[in-house]
Amino acid sequence: EVQLVESGGGLVKPGGSLRLSCAASGFIFTNAWMSWVRQGPGKGLEWVGRIKTKADGWATDYAAPVKGRFTISRHHSRNMVYLQMNSLKTEDTAVYYCTTDQHMGGSYEALDYWGQGTPVTVSS
Amino acid sequence: DIQMTQSPSSLSASVGDRVTITCRASQSISNYLNWYQHKPGKAPNLLIYGASSLQGGVPSRFSGSGSGTDFTLTISSLQPEDFATFYCQQSYSIPLTFGQGTTLEIK
Repeated sequence: EVQLVESGGGLVKPGGSLRLSCAASGFIFTNAWMSWVRQGPGKGLEWVGRIKTKADGWATDYAAPVKGRFTISRHHSRNMVYLQMNSLKTEDTAVYYCTTDQHMGGSYEALDYWGQGTPVTVSS
Repeated sequence: DIQMTQSPSSLSASVGDRVTITCRASQSISNYLNWYQHKPGKAPNLLIYGASSLQGGVPSRFSGSGSGTDFTLTISSLQPEDFATFYCQQSYSIPLTFGQGTTLEIK
């Protein structure tokens, strides 16, 4: 059974930093791209960014609102994905979800498994 | 960035109804379109990928269609557990973008 468990959320002041973690199990982690998605209060889903596999050069992509402030990394032997968030703003307040990012049917990129999410509140 | 627009934003329906939600992309995305169901306090769930392929374990009352810029998600006969918010999402180009969501409520 695929499991993604996020942790590390909490309350942080504007300008502060936080690191979220995602523990993955139940699938071949080294073969999976991983994404982070967030949902602000009363808002819809927003893709944050993704990290590819070693075979794809550990490449990362980010949404414009977080580029230069957020960094996604992964640790293969621990089956972990991380989201380092720096220079946090109030608008970064959201529930953050870790997802697998797979090419379904060999062609169609989709976010097929999701964690339960971890809440982040940026407030003074 | 590709903008995704869903309609309606909210919808009231009864158990047993047939429901259709539409999603329009700001440019052609071929069939790189996914649909998700999201219930409060739960993890979102992938329903449809590639515009029309049913994800494993998803009931066959869910179906998707469309290509280019216009897509639909249809639920053939609503069940009590289907009431939730539904999102379309394009995977044609980065950044991945979602529609604003359609909330399906019990009439």
